[in-house]
Amino acid sequence: IAGITQAPTSQILAAGRRMTLRCTQDMRHNAMYWYRQDLGLGLRLIHYSNTAGTTGKGEVPDGYSVSRANTDDFPLTLASAVPSQTSVYFCASSDSADNNEQFFGPGTRLTVL
Amino acid sequence: GQNIDQPTEMTATEGAIVQINCTYQTSGFNGLFWYQQHAGEAPTFLSYNVLDGLEEKGRFSSFLSRSKGYSYLLLKELQMKDSASYLCAVRDEDYQLIWGAGTKLIIKP
Repeated sequence: IAGITQAPTSQILAAGRRMTLRCTQDMRHNAMYWYRQDLGLGLRLIHYSNTAGTTGKGEVPDGYSVSRANTDDFPLTLASAVPSQTSVYFCASSDSADNNEQFFGPGTRLTVL
Repeated sequence: GQNIDQPTEMTATEGAIVQINCTYQTSGFNGLFWYQQHAGEAPTFLSYNVLDGLEEKGRFSSFLSRSKGYSYLLLKELQMKDSASYLCAVRDEDYQLIWGAGTKLIIKP
């Protein structure tokens, strides 16, 4: 693989279910990010990780958790999905936290019913 | 609060020039970014400005005025493939990106 991959591409989920969105990058980037993108709103940062072993909360962290056990993987977990979490989720990475360019994965379209 | 404003939608003609404006109010400033996002795809990086002035990259140029909290993206010799949303983002004092809602650019033949 080259770049960032996300899985699944899309998912329909019943409210109350637990769901993990996967994100893997092979660029050896230190920093990784999870965003959600909703119609009419800008990308909103959910959680981020500046380096393996560390994570931080973004603008809209409630209802989501992340882990960063290694450099390549940055999964996002919804512990108990709610309809307001219906969105398109993008994972991104950058060489470092203060690097100029973020590279985005293809996105996961999640629908919570 | 933090705020990024850009027009919701713009229309331009193939071969013409279009300017997409972005104004911002953020806690701190560590650079302004423009990204392009085609429908159903991921955003891709276009440009970065941290100092006042114009940065040119082929058909695309980006301008920044930090004192006015203002930037624009200038697209020349428009092509149909330029139909996309253009996202303005500012890196704040915590080095997090604050994103505008994006400007949908429609190119007509």
